[in-house]
Amino acid sequence: DVKVTQSSRYLVKRTGEKVFLECVQDMDHENMFWYRQDPGLGLRLIYFSYDVKMKEKGDIPEGYSVSREKKERFSLILESASTNQTSMYLCASSFVQEIQQPQHFGDGTRLSIL
Amino acid sequence: KQEVTQIPAALSVPEGENLVLNCSFTDSAIYNLQWFRQDPGKGLTSLLLIQSSQREQTSGRLNASLDKSSGRSTLYIAASQPGDSATYLCAVTTTDSWGKLQFGAGTQVVVTP
Repeated sequence: DVKVTQSSRYLVKRTGEKVFLECVQDMDHENMFWYRQDPGLGLRLIYFSYDVKMKEKGDIPEGYSVSREKKERFSLILESASTNQTSMYLCASSFVQEIQQPQHFGDGTRLSIL
Repeated sequence: KQEVTQIPAALSVPEGENLVLNCSFTDSAIYNLQWFRQDPGKGLTSLLLIQSSQREQTSGRLNASLDKSSGRSTLYIAASQPGDSATYLCAVTTTDSWGKLQFGAGTQVVVTP
């Protein structure tokens, strides 16, 4: 069974801090995605990666960056955290060549910026 | 730009009733449409995936239909149970998107005993 693991379920940080959210998948998926989820807005794509060291901006990349040094790991970085980045962050992965297979999601990280 | 809408935003039904959840999308150029379930504070669990060439998919008490030309999908849950209480999200994969999903905001369902 596919496992997508996010390193923290809950995280509290201060304004201006540099924040790292980590995601690891164990199915050799090429694609990895970072979404944020806010009430009434659904999930919005921040960044995605289709291969090691490759990244593409999603719909709301401002204030974020990502790193993919190894195929199984995709990190989301908040360069200087702000209160409007308080949200639920979800990581997902999928195969590039199997677009008819569903994305697999982690349990999410609920991030609070004070 | 693809927009996905789910109506209603919330729904409450007594146990045993059938649930009908609606999803609409503006661009019919899709690879597939997926339905997910999300329990409070948790990630998403994939329920059903309908390819663009298909009209419906079934899994147990769940049945999802797709009318690509009119930009609509419906998720039916038969004989609802309190354990079906969750938020249900639909998402589409558009043909220009590298497998990216465009989500609706979800329908929050409560099934009362």
